[in-house]
Formats: sequence, C-alpha cells, structure tokens
Amino acid sequence: AQSVTQLGSHVSVSEGALVLLRCNYSSSVPPYLFWYVQYPNQGLQLLLKYTSAATLVKGINGFEAEFKKSETSFHLTKPSAHMSDAAEYFCAVSDWAAGNKLTFGGGTRVLVKP
Amino acid sequence: GAGVSQSPRYKVAKRGQDVALRCDPISGHVSLFWYQQALGQGPEFLTYFQNEAQLDKSGLPSDRFFAERPEGSVSTLKIQRTQQEDSAVYLCASSFGQANTEAFFGQGTRLTVV
Repeated sequence: AQSVTQLGSHVSVSEGALVLLRCNYSSSVPPYLFWYVQYPNQGLQLLLKYTSAATLVKGINGFEAEFKKSETSFHLTKPSAHMSDAAEYFCAVSDWAAGNKLTFGGGTRVLVKP
Repeated sequence: GAGVSQSPRYKVAKRGQDVALRCDPISGHVSLFWYQQALGQGPEFLTYFQNEAQLDKSGLPSDRFFAERPEGSVSTLKIQRTQQEDSAVYLCASSFGQANTEAFFGQGTRLTVV
C-alpha cells in the first residue's frame, strides 16, 4: 500500500520569501512522485514529477523538488514566492504496478502575504 | 478538445436521487481515472479504466457507485440513491497510460446532495 503525508495543512509566506512544502511518502515499490497545484474551482495542474531519473526535479513556475530516498521525502520549494502562488498544493505517489493510480496527500494551502 | 472536459460543472441533487457525471478525456488517452475530493481533503481514487476495460474499482465507496466507459473514450460515473456523504468534487483524469506519464485532470463536477 502507498501513502503520502503532507506536513502542514496551511502555510503562510511573505511575497519574495522561500516557499517550502513538505511531503513524505510510503511505497512498497520504487515510487513515481508528483506535485500538483489546484486553484479555486479548478482541476489539478502538474507542477513537476520524479520518475527515477535526476533526484532534483525542476517544474513550472519556478518550483523544484528533491527526491531523498533515505528520508522518503519529496519536498517542494520555490526561492521567491509570488502572489500568484496562492493555491492548494498536493503531493502524490503513483502506483505504476497497478495502472498508475495516484495516492494523494491531504494538501497544503499556501497564502502569500504582500 | 484540448483538455479533459467534465459535465456538469455543478450538480445539486436531492437525497435519494440518481445522478450521472460525464467525462470526456483527451483524445487518444488510454487510461481514465475517477477521483473523489471531499471538502478540504486530497483527491481519493475511485476507479480506473484502460480503454473500455474497468481494471480497478477498489475505491468505489459502495455499490451505489457505478462507472462505465463503453467505447473506450467518454466515461460516465453514476451514483444511485445519493446520500449527503456523497457531496464532493468528482475529478476525472486521463493519460497515455505509460508508467511515468502525466495524468491530465478535468475541472471536476461539484456534487451537492441536499
């Protein structure tokens, strides 16, 4: 079975400050990991994905994440927050041995203060 | 179309009523997924199709939930005798089907059972 834990359901950052969203996973097989962003009343948009290539993954909108197997983590960062980054972020692990269904964390809502 | 299309966007149903939610995946996508997202939570897997075959329905919460994809394209999620606990956003996603490919999400259908 797979699971994802996102620490902190809400994060508040100042515009221009570092954004750090934490994600830890559990998987019985080598994981494929994803970060998605969800704006109000919208579906999920892929930010980035890890699929066993480089451990530091760069995504859209200046986000990046680092896969650390020893820590079973896949934390998301952005050096400088922008007002448009206010949204909800979901970390997910893919069960590629079972059709690639995604198991999501509970989400972290990001508030950006001017 | 260019993306995954879901209809209706919003549905209000009286308790006990049957509802049908439609998903039009991206053309050529083999895999199709349904997820349920309760308020303030991450999406949870419901069911998975590969072409017209329903390969995994382990996430369907009860036998009141039924999904089909008869021609391997459009899919319908049907909920019979709706209950208040069925109120959620229902997300559809599609992908090419390879292990490390991205799942593209629709905007979802927000179901409110009153």
